[in-house]
Amino acid sequence: DAKTTQPNSMESNEEEPVHLPCNHSTISGTDYIHWYRQLPSQGPEYVIHGLTSNVNNRMASLAIAEDRKSSTLILHRATLRDAAVYYCIPGGLMYSGGGADGLTFGKGTHLIIQP
Amino acid sequence: DTEVTQTPKHLVMGMTNKKSLKCEQHMGHRAMYWYKQKAKKPPELMFVYSYEKLSINESVPSRFSPECPNSSLLNLHLHALQPEDSALYLCASSLEPHEQFFGPGTRLTVL
Repeated sequence: DAKTTQPNSMESNEEEPVHLPCNHSTISGTDYIHWYRQLPSQGPEYVIHGLTSNVNNRMASLAIAEDRKSSTLILHRATLRDAAVYYCIPGGLMYSGGGADGLTFGKGTHLIIQP
Repeated sequence: DTEVTQTPKHLVMGMTNKKSLKCEQHMGHRAMYWYKQKAKKPPELMFVYSYEKLSINESVPSRFSPECPNSSLLNLHLHALQPEDSALYLCASSLEPHEQFFGPGTRLTVL
């Protein structure tokens, strides 16, 4: 599995954009980049994933560097509800040989949102 | 129904007890997972079931025994646990590999 480096914590103000960086310099060519988040006292929650191109969904945007060694999760307008630990998870996660792959979580970034 | 349910929410057990954790989903997902999360640490994968068959066991001690009776249910049988096994046990399921749906977890305390 590719090793990831994320800031331990970041702080932002409510209603401002947040850019959460992740370095994954050992990522393989077939690994997707996944982002999950874990709100306090809840299970993790899928946010977004991508392979090479930038991706948008209703929750966030994912910007992937051209060399794929880093990516940035963008929350366009942070709310207090976005305060969580954000995990960047590279992985192929293919169903191969009849089996599925689990997620390998790193330490993540603790995002603090100030009102 | 778009959720994964886990019971019980909390469990306290002694080291000689036998107990089971239950996980259920009705989304037609073909893969189900058990993760363990110690306080202030990230989740760690324990087991993966695909099409009701165990496909991944991440070198978990035999005192943890998973079972998948049908495509909607996943159990984790616990026997002779140690205090260091106290943790939040998370179940997840997925239809396609990139988006896993997690339950709220069972908080286990071993005395």
